[in-house]
Amino acid sequence: DTGVSQDPRHKITKRGQNVTFRCDPISEHNRLYWYRQTLGQGPEFLTYFQNEAQLEKSRLLSDRFSAERPKGSFSTLEIQRTEQGDSAMYLCASLPGGDNEKLFFGSGTQLSVL
Amino acid sequence: ILNVEQSPQSLHVQEGDSTNFTCSFPSSNFYALHWYRWETAKSPEALFVMTLNGDEKKKGRISATLNTKEGYSYLYIKGSQPEDSATYLCAFIGGNQFYFGTGTSLTVIP
Repeated sequence: DTGVSQDPRHKITKRGQNVTFRCDPISEHNRLYWYRQTLGQGPEFLTYFQNEAQLEKSRLLSDRFSAERPKGSFSTLEIQRTEQGDSAMYLCASLPGGDNEKLFFGSGTQLSVL
Repeated sequence: ILNVEQSPQSLHVQEGDSTNFTCSFPSSNFYALHWYRWETAKSPEALFVMTLNGDEKKKGRISATLNTKEGYSYLYIKGSQPEDSATYLCAFIGGNQFYFGTGTSLTVIP
């Protein structure tokens, strides 16, 4: 399978714990996006990378959130000191480069903070 | 933050009915408009990428139109089938960003 893969599919954690999610984009895709989706809402932009460079980060994003894409390949999203409000589906998507190209999504990581 | 609105929020139709949804977006600084289908327990998948005012795209029983001057796009499904049940998302593209609407949840009743 050469699609976008995300790991884990589900994560249950206690409030205050740190969690890290991984996204492996399609290998030739330069751009990688992270989104968060809660019930009844559309995907909300978190951050995106062009190769290894993090070009934009949502102003709504708390400092507890950090993302990396070392060597422009896979990406990780870390949430420190999780809160119940962080419970959501975290989606990763990639695309080759141009804006006229469609996003390819992973299956997402469903986070539940207890 | 750009406001992309979709209506209705949810829809139940009988198998065989035709239906349509609306996506409204800012009419300025338009670059592209995408439609995605998101089935339960699966990844969102792109249906259409639309860039030009007046664009009409078709994929089987599903089609979409685009009006960039007034800032809306319609998605049509002809003869709905149970496998069409999904959430349909539109995304307005501007400045390397994809701004998603809240989606329309379609349930097709056999």
